[in-house]
Formats: sequence, structure tokens, C-alpha cells
Amino acid sequence: QVQVVQSGSELKKPGASVKVSCKASGYSFTDYAIDWVRQAPGQGPEWMGWINTKTGNPTYAQGFTGRFVFSLDTSVTTAYLQISSLKAEDTAMYYCARPVARMGIRSHAFDYWGQGTVVTVSS
Amino acid sequence: QSALTQPASVSGSPGQSITISCTGTSSDVGGDNYVSWYQQHPGKAPKLIIYEVSNRPSGVSNRLSASKSGNMASLTISGLQAEDEADYFCCSYSTRSTPMVFGGGTKLTVL
Repeated sequence: QVQVVQSGSELKKPGASVKVSCKASGYSFTDYAIDWVRQAPGQGPEWMGWINTKTGNPTYAQGFTGRFVFSLDTSVTTAYLQISSLKAEDTAMYYCARPVARMGIRSHAFDYWGQGTVVTVSS
Repeated sequence: QSALTQPASVSGSPGQSITISCTGTSSDVGGDNYVSWYQQHPGKAPKLIIYEVSNRPSGVSNRLSASKSGNMASLTISGLQAEDEADYFCCSYSTRSTPMVFGGGTKLTVL
């Protein structure tokens, strides 16, 4: 069965970096993209972008360029989100999610989500 | 400020039906048929309940239905049950700078 498991909560100081992992299993990892979604406390989700798991090519949404990096280690079917120069406003729940359809087929919906990783930025 | 507009809250009694609206523009909701809906219980990840405007994933109750008219999408839950109490988010493909946009969410309370 498909599973998407993220790394645990993180507490970081402003200016530090954090790397969140997202391990997928139960399907062919390189057939589906991995998308990242941020949800700040009490707010709706915000799409951050996606990574092509075949090529490793990332695409970032507006507002998530520069300090945000998506990466992969296909040998362990894991995607990563790294955020550098952390700010208080980065405090949020971060989710990775798998699209409904394989890459190359439009779906724009996510049927498997990680459990979320809370990143708290506080001095 | 979310790109899609949803009512902050709706409520209904067990057995009743409720509808949650999701208003966008011709660049997102009204422009294509890639509207999805998610249910989120407190402390849990979102769960896909509707994709491509009105399709239910396997295992999702047929008490849930959805549709779209113009720039507004709607989610209807009939025969309300206590377990339906959750936050509901709509999501749409967009031709604007960010290709996927979400609503701010609607809190459903089952009275």
C-alpha cells in the first residue's frame, strides 16, 4: 500500500536551516511527482511547488524561490525540502503529497499526503 | 489571503445537508475542470474527497458530491454525520503565476 512518511517536528532559530524528508513507498517512486504544500497556523494550504522524480527538476511557486530547495534521493525513494535563512513567518506545517496521476498526465489533485512536519522558527 | 474564497464556517444537524461554496475566477475555477476538495480533521493531513470537479476517490462516501458552475464550485454533504465535522478546502488549477491555488477553508460543525 502507498505510504508517505515525513520526518519529525523541528524547532529552529531564525537564520538557521532545516531539511524535511518525505519517504514514499508502495508504488514506483519515479512515476509520480512529489509536491510540497505549506499550511500556516489557522490558514488554508499554500502550494509550494513540485519536483520531477525522474529528472530531479524542481519547480517553485511564486514566493518559494531562493530559500527553498526541493531535492531527491531516489535510491531511498525520498524527497527533501530544505529551507535556509529561516524566518519566523516560515513557522508552519509542511506537507509532501503525491498527485493522483502519474507524471505527464494532468490531475492537479493529491491522493496521498505525508503526515506533515511542523517547523517552528523561534529565538 | 487565499486565492479561492470559501465561507469561514457552516453548520448543520445530523441527517441534514450542507453545501460549501468555493469562488474563484475564470483563471482558476471557471477556466478548467481541475477543482478538488479536501477534508482535514484537527491535527491530520488533508484527505482528498473530490477531484476533477465531481469525481470521488475510491472509498469516499457517496454522501459527498460536488459540482461547478461558472467560477464557483460547490461541495455538498448529505445525511450529515458527526464524523463529517472537519475543515474543508477547495483547490484549483490556475493559469496565473501559481498553478495551484487553495481556498482558505471552511469549518463544518455538526450540531
